[in-house]
Amino acid sequence: QVQLMQSGAEVRRPGASVKVSCEASGYTLTGYFMHWVRQAPGQGLEWMGLINGYTGVTTYAQKFEGRVSMTRDTSTNTGYMELSWLTLDDTAMYYCARDPPTPQALDMWGQGTWVTVSS
Amino acid sequence: DVVLTQSPLSLSVTPGEPASISCTSSQSLLHSDGYNYLNWYLQKPGQSPQLLISLGSSRASGVPDRFSGSGSGTDFTLKISRVEAGDVGIYYCMQALPTPWTFGQGTKVEIK
Repeated sequence: QVQLMQSGAEVRRPGASVKVSCEASGYTLTGYFMHWVRQAPGQGLEWMGLINGYTGVTTYAQKFEGRVSMTRDTSTNTGYMELSWLTLDDTAMYYCARDPPTPQALDMWGQGTWVTVSS
Repeated sequence: DVVLTQSPLSLSVTPGEPASISCTSSQSLLHSDGYNYLNWYLQKPGQSPQLLISLGSSRASGVPDRFSGSGSGTDFTLKISRVEAGDVGIYYCMQALPTPWTFGQGTKVEIK
């Protein structure tokens, strides 16, 4: 069964970092891009960036440049998104999503990981 | 960044009736390969988004043919021919041409 399984909910203090994992099963990470999208409470969807599963090359939204890092481990078929220097505004559900070579669309999504930033 | 503007932002529909959502882009999403890089997603209550339509008009695997996408360039439309109770949720358009990929604000669909 093809699916993306994300790590569990996290609580962090402002200024801390969080690392969310996304394990792919039923397909090989290296054949796809992986994107990260977040959704603040009651808000819409916000694209954060992507990683090429084969090369590891990343593209980030300018808003997150300098404090986001997307990586992948091909041996465990897992992608990671680390966000540093957290603020209260980073409280959100974080989703990973698969992007096949064609078409350019997010055809499968993880179940989401809640990240709460609270002092 | 490309701005996507959806209308309406909310829609109340009688089961069996049609529904239509518009998505207007601040830039053309028509690539030189002839495809429009505009996708539609549905986020049902409490769930992750799911892909409905890619490349402007191509239904994703398993999506009923009640759903159709049309448009080109900067103006796109998602149509549901006969709304069912299970279609409730928030519908988002998303462009996948230049990075950063961007989403519309979302259209909330409810059943009367």
